[in-house]
Order: sequence, then structure tokens, then C-alpha cells
Amino acid sequence: EDKVVQSPLSLVVHEGDTVTLNCSYEVTNFRSLLWYKQEKKAPTFLFMLTSSGIEKKSGRLSSILDKKELSSILNITATQTGDSAIYLCAVGQGGSEKLVFGKGTKLTVNP
Amino acid sequence: DSGVTQTPKHLITATGQRVTLRCSPRSGDLSVYWYQQSLDQGLQFLIQYYNGEERAKGNILERFSAQQFPDLHSELNLSSLELGDSALYFCASSATLIGEQFFGPGTRLTVL
Repeated sequence: EDKVVQSPLSLVVHEGDTVTLNCSYEVTNFRSLLWYKQEKKAPTFLFMLTSSGIEKKSGRLSSILDKKELSSILNITATQTGDSAIYLCAVGQGGSEKLVFGKGTKLTVNP
Repeated sequence: DSGVTQTPKHLITATGQRVTLRCSPRSGDLSVYWYQQSLDQGLQFLIQYYNGEERAKGNILERFSAQQFPDLHSELNLSSLELGDSALYFCASSATLIGEQFFGPGTRLTVL
């Protein structure tokens, strides 16, 4: 059965800290890995990583895909209270258009 | 704002009833996905349509059905509702079959 596992399930840090969120996957025919941020309601797209793009960066957020280890990390540096959210990892499979989501990491950034 | 719209925002109904959730994808996106999010299950893929045709199916119950219309909006029909169907239902769209998906604000369904 295809699965995506995220760790930790929750994390509490102080503003200015750096955090690393983990995602590991076991899926058939891996195609892409996506990161989303979910605040109050809808997940918002952060990054998509594929075999041809294993590292992405946007401001304080960066992500790396390790295809050997079947995993990815999402780094957030100099965290702010606005980074508090659930971060979701999802994997897309070749030959199928569905995404398999992990259960998410709940990040709380305290002032 | 992702550009994906969903109506209604909230829906409260009774067991055994039938409801219809509506989704309009981002302008130009041909692909529409439906997801269910409950507290214990996380985001679960239900079904995908691409330009009017069903493309992929997840763990969608037989009581649930969907369609995508010529104007590309989509509807998810849930019938014979049970308490366990209470969840957030998201619609997402993408420009291509395998591109990044952009999510709508969701419909919160409460079955009493």
C-alpha cells in the first residue's frame, strides 16, 4: 500500500529558530513530491520536487528530495509566528494523477 | 486566493440525505480533483476529472459520485449520508494532468 509518513507530528519552536520537517514515502512509480502549507482552511502550494528538480528554495523556505532515501525535508529558517500551520507532504505517482498525502506536521511558532 | 471556488462553505444536513458540492477550477485549468479531509484520516483523494472525463479514482464510496461539466466546473454528489461523512471536502485544480494542484477553500459538511 502506498504511504507517506511525516515527522514529527507536531513541533513547537520560538521565533527565529530553524526547523526541519521530514517526509518519507513508499509508493509505486514515484513521479513528484509536493509540499503544502495549511493554515485555517485550504492547503496552499509551496514546492514541487521531481527527478529533474530535487532542490527548491523560496525565501526562508527550502526543500530537498533524496530519491535514494525516498524522503524529503522542508527547512524553514528564521521562523516567524506566521509560519504556524500544518505542513503537508504529498507524492504523485506516474500513471496516476492522484496525490497521496501524509498526515502533516503541525508547526507552532511562539513569539 | 488560489482562484478555485467552492460552494457552499458550510453544509449541515441529516443522515440519509443527499447533498451536492460545487467547484469551479482556476481559469484555464482542465483538471479537477476532489479530496476528503477528516481529523483522523488526513487528506484522502476521492476522484479526478480531466476535461470532462474521469481520470483517476481513489477510495471513493459508491454512495459518492462526481462529474465535470463542459464549462469545466465539477460537482460532487454525496448520498445516503452517514455521520462518518462529516468532513471538509476540498476541490483542487491543475493546468495539466500531473502539475501542482491548487486547492479551493473547502466545504465543511456536518451530518447530524
